Amino acid sequence: GESVGLHLPTLSVQEGDNSIINCAYSNSASDYFIWYKQESGKGPQFIIDIRSNMDKRQGQRVTVLLNKTVKHLSLQIAATQPGDSAVYFCAENPPSILTGGGNKLTFGTGTQLKVEL
Amino acid sequence: GAGVSQSPRYKVAKRGQDVALRCDPISGHVSLFWYQQALGQGPEFLTYFQNEAQLDKSGLPSDRFFAERPEGSVSTLKIQRTQQEDSAVYLCASSPRGILDTQYFGPGTRLTVL
Repeated sequence: GESVGLHLPTLSVQEGDNSIINCAYSNSASDYFIWYKQESGKGPQFIIDIRSNMDKRQGQRVTVLLNKTVKHLSLQIAATQPGDSAVYFCAENPPSILTGGGNKLTFGTGTQLKVEL
Repeated sequence: GAGVSQSPRYKVAKRGQDVALRCDPISGHVSLFWYQQALGQGPEFLTYFQNEAQLDKSGLPSDRFFAERPEGSVSTLKIQRTQQEDSAVYLCASSPRGILDTQYFGPGTRLTVL
């Protein structure tokens, strides 16, 4: 299938290692952040989210860290597996004047994660 | 359970043709979103529905793009007089409520305009 990761930053890790994917977001007023995983030929798949009143949230093998001071988001994947190979996008939910709240996601550029055996 | 489905999965159109892309959201989801994803880029917002009401269409690139959701369920994105720059993957997402709510994406429709 055609890759969605052409010309994207690439992170290569060994199977079993931890992965850290970073993202800088743009709107200091955004109050909801999400990480998505996208495999070739598929739509983005929800991984984990975090609201602006938190600085850390953990899921199964994944942790998201939020630093509002520098508008930085990171995704940590523990014990990376071959099935984790994909493009990872962070997304922010900026507030919308039209609806009184956020209703659309603004996606970052994406990072291609490659897991080497 | 069934996720978001989109049809067709692939569409090839000649420049100037009209196309219609369909989205079936998760049953009961109030909100529906359309995004456009160019090759190697992240998805970009096009438009948003809450039930049948189109609350935000600020991302539609031109008046050739039109979206509807007449009964608050299935949605159609129509592109008139397609241009080569319209070539992209068109993604549909739905969420149970809308604001600050997880959006679940479909597989997308890859549109190629020749």
